[in-house]
Amino acid sequence: EPEVTQTPSHQVTQMGQEVILRCVPISNHLYFYWYRQILGQKVEFLVSFYNNEISEKSEIFDDQFSVERPDGSNFTLKIRSTKLEDSAMYFCASEDEPYNEQFFGPGTRLTVL
Amino acid sequence: AQKVTQAQTEISVVEKEDVTLDCVYETRDTTYYLFWYKQPPSGELVFLIRRNSFDEQNEISGRYSWNFQKSTSSFNFTITASQVVDSAVYFCALSEAPPSDKLIFGTGTRLQVFP
Repeated sequence: EPEVTQTPSHQVTQMGQEVILRCVPISNHLYFYWYRQILGQKVEFLVSFYNNEISEKSEIFDDQFSVERPDGSNFTLKIRSTKLEDSAMYFCASEDEPYNEQFFGPGTRLTVL
Repeated sequence: AQKVTQAQTEISVVEKEDVTLDCVYETRDTTYYLFWYKQPPSGELVFLIRRNSFDEQNEISGRYSWNFQKSTSSFNFTITASQVVDSAVYFCALSEAPPSDKLIFGTGTRLQVFP
C-alpha cells in the first residue's frame, strides 16, 4: 500500500541552526501539508501546498519557515533559525483531492537544544 | 471561529467494555467534513473515518461506530467490546469549505484499555 515517508525520523539540532525536514508524499497525490505536534498536545496545521505554491499557512508558519517541492517526489519543510519552542513532532501529509483522507507520514521528531 | 472540543482527556476501561469518545465542533460553514484519527503509542496518525456535513447517517465498521448529530454539533465515536490494541490517543478533526481544507484537530482523548 502506498505510504508517505519522512526523513529523518529524529533530528537533534542546536538553537539557531537551520533544519530541513523531508517528506515523500504518495506519488499521485497533489495536495501536501505540514502539521506539528508539541509533545502531549494536539496536532496543529502549519501549511498547505498545491500546484507549487502555498495554499494556506497558519500563524505559526512565520518567516522562519519555508516549504519547497524541489523535484517531482520530495516535499521539504525548512526552519531557518530554530528556536527551543520548535521542538515537536512534524508530520507531513498528502491527499489526492481536497477533503479526502489526508495520509500522514510517520513524523520527524525535532529536538532543539 | 472553527473549533473542535474533546472534553475527555483520558478514559480507562477494561477489555470488552464499550466506550464512547465525544467530539463537539464549531463552525459557521454549512459544508464541512469531520474526521477521526487514531494515534497509537508508535506515534503515527491513522485515518479512521471521514464524514461530510450533509450525511448524518451513522456508520459502523466492525467494532467501531460513529454518531453524527448536526443538531448538537457532535460526532461521537464508540468502540464496542474494546481490546488492548485500541489503546491510543484518538483525535477528532474538522475541515471546512473551500478554499481551506486544513484539518483542525481537537486536543485528543487518550484511551487506555486494560486486560
